[in-house]
Amino acid sequence: AQSVTQLDSQVPVFEEAPVELRCNYSSSVSVYLFWYVQYPNQGLQLLLKYLSGSTLVKGINGFEAEFNKSQTSFHLRKPSVHISDTAEYFCAVSAAVGGTSYGKLTFGQGTILTVHP
Amino acid sequence: DTGVSQNPRHKITKRGQNVTFRCDPISEHNRLYWYRQTLGQGPEFLTYFQNEAQLEKSRLLSDRFSAERPKGSFSTLEIQRTEQGDSAMYLCASSGKGDGYTFGSGTRLTVV
Repeated sequence: AQSVTQLDSQVPVFEEAPVELRCNYSSSVSVYLFWYVQYPNQGLQLLLKYLSGSTLVKGINGFEAEFNKSQTSFHLRKPSVHISDTAEYFCAVSAAVGGTSYGKLTFGQGTILTVHP
Repeated sequence: DTGVSQNPRHKITKRGQNVTFRCDPISEHNRLYWYRQTLGQGPEFLTYFQNEAQLEKSRLLSDRFSAERPKGSFSTLEIQRTEQGDSAMYLCASSGKGDGYTFGSGTRLTVV
């Protein structure tokens, strides 16, 4: 079984400042890692994913994340945020079932990012 | 393809009534998942299908919940004798080989 801990429930930040949203996971098997964004009353949109290869993953909207196996972390970063980045962000993990087939996702509790002008 | 479609978007029902939600996945995707999300929480896995076979069901899922995916196309999630604790957003997602998860916009259930 896998588990995910998002270390901050809320992160306030000013526009154009950098931001880091922290995620730690636990698993007894190899994993795939994901970050999703959710705007109010909407579904989840994939920001980026780590399957294998380079530990630095670049995603949409200028976000990136780094997989750190020794620290079992997958923190999300953006060098300069915009008002439109205000949303809830979820880190998720899936057992690496092989190839590019994905198993069920286990999500963290979410981090609400609020960008102030 | 317009992505994963869920209907209805919103459902208000009285306690004790049955409700059914529908999910239409991306047509090439063979896996379909249901998740439930309550306020302030991350989505929680309920069940998933590979084609028409239901391969896993969460132990947290009461026997009032049932899901089907006839012919491996659309899926329905039925909740019988709804309770106030069933109020949540129900999310559907699909995936296929070489393609990641795509989530629908969800069905928000309110039990009054």
